[in-house]
Amino acid sequence: DTGVSQDPRHKITKRGQNVTFRCDPISEHNRLYWYRQTLGQGPEFLTYFQNEAQLEKSRLLSDRFSAERPKGSFSTLEIQRTEQGDSAMYLCASSLHYLFDEQFFGPGTRLTVL
Amino acid sequence: DQQVKQNSPSLSVQEGRISILNCDYTNSMFDYFLWYKKYPAEGPTFLISISSIKDKNEDGRFTVFLNKSAKHLSLHIVPSQPGDSAVYFCAASAGGSTLGRLYFGRGTQLTVWP
Repeated sequence: DTGVSQDPRHKITKRGQNVTFRCDPISEHNRLYWYRQTLGQGPEFLTYFQNEAQLEKSRLLSDRFSAERPKGSFSTLEIQRTEQGDSAMYLCASSLHYLFDEQFFGPGTRLTVL
Repeated sequence: DQQVKQNSPSLSVQEGRISILNCDYTNSMFDYFLWYKKYPAEGPTFLISISSIKDKNEDGRFTVFLNKSAKHLSLHIVPSQPGDSAVYFCAASAGGSTLGRLYFGRGTQLTVWP
């Protein structure tokens, strides 16, 4: 059984371009989370899904960000009109919808906006 | 506003000795706490957790203590090993019996030297 996978692992883009990241959770997990981590900080929550429903969004998720989980399996996070401040590690995690179940993280996608 | 605080950015311990990592929180609604370990270029890995109905949870060399009145928790690693060298994140949830978003501290870099 594989863990959470993310693609790509690294992305370098120019300011103003759009980027899309993909996350494949652990297969039986019905909850999927997106976090962002910048240098010297812990992961910061962006949004999460239960199956295909997006249940919560952080105020960090500006209108340039959109996340989807169309069939309740993999998820995509799109950033439109990227800015230098978007440079960060984007982490995906998944969990079972069970009592006190921990979140399993993927390796992350490192985004650099030039 | 940082609701989970790890005030020590780094800790250095000799192999075989005890490592104590500390974490404070401000939100009294937090009822579930987790510790994650992170190596460079990898996502955070779950280590141990504790619910607010307990004051101690032990798993092998790792023990987490929770002091609700002080809003403080600590992670003890005994004995420390060089492979424990990593960044340790404290995280908290206010999700009750089901986990939603996690709030993370900034992390503590643990270095275990021979």
